[in-house]
Amino acid sequence: EILLTQSPAALSVSPGDRVTLSCRANQNIVSALAWYQQKSGQAPRLLVYNAATRATGIPVRFTGSGSGTEFTLTISSLQPDDFAVYFCQQYNGWPRTFGQGTKVGIK
Amino acid sequence: QVQLQESGPGLVKPSETLSLKCTVSGGPITSAAYYSSWIRQRPGKGLEWIGYIYYSGTSDSAYYNPSLQSRATISFVTSESQFSLKLTSVTAADTAVYYCARGDWSTWFDFWGQGALVTVSS
Repeated sequence: EILLTQSPAALSVSPGDRVTLSCRANQNIVSALAWYQQKSGQAPRLLVYNAATRATGIPVRFTGSGSGTEFTLTISSLQPDDFAVYFCQQYNGWPRTFGQGTKVGIK
Repeated sequence: QVQLQESGPGLVKPSETLSLKCTVSGGPITSAAYYSSWIRQRPGKGLEWIGYIYYSGTSDSAYYNPSLQSRATISFVTSESQFSLKLTSVTAADTAVYYCARGDWSTWFDFWGQGALVTVSS
């Protein structure tokens, strides 16, 4: 099973800040990584797939990057609507696995 | 726009079978490109992929997370645009919010239901 480790587990930021979230895989997953946003009480929403391709309707302030074992999701200027938990998910190995999430909170 | 909605009992007794259905609207349920999936989120925890089913053109194929030790079964109810999840011999550890989702082939999940909380308790 491929393990995904997200860091940090939580962070407090202010609107307008640049935020960088990390996801590390314990083996090479090429670019088979997706990012999701989950707000409290809601289902996850797909943000990025294939490590760097934004999903339909996702604002350009969300940017995914990386390959192999190291991946990053960057939010260029955090908006009030972006306070949420962010998960990464790999689809290179079986079973499909998710990271434990990074909670982005208000400072 | 594809929409998914979970339904089923919110309370299940230990050792019994958890049964949920997902109703899909706005898109085909038996396209080979779409993998009908179940994912759960235990309280305060991350997401766990349970499994998915897809239609290969001639038959259904399903794949499951080995961690569930063969307790899960996913099947289509195509006449009603639904797919279902059955999880046998449940324990308190199966208490979770259960999501149905559409997988783009067997990769990422692009549409999700709102989730159904299932509590396992006597």
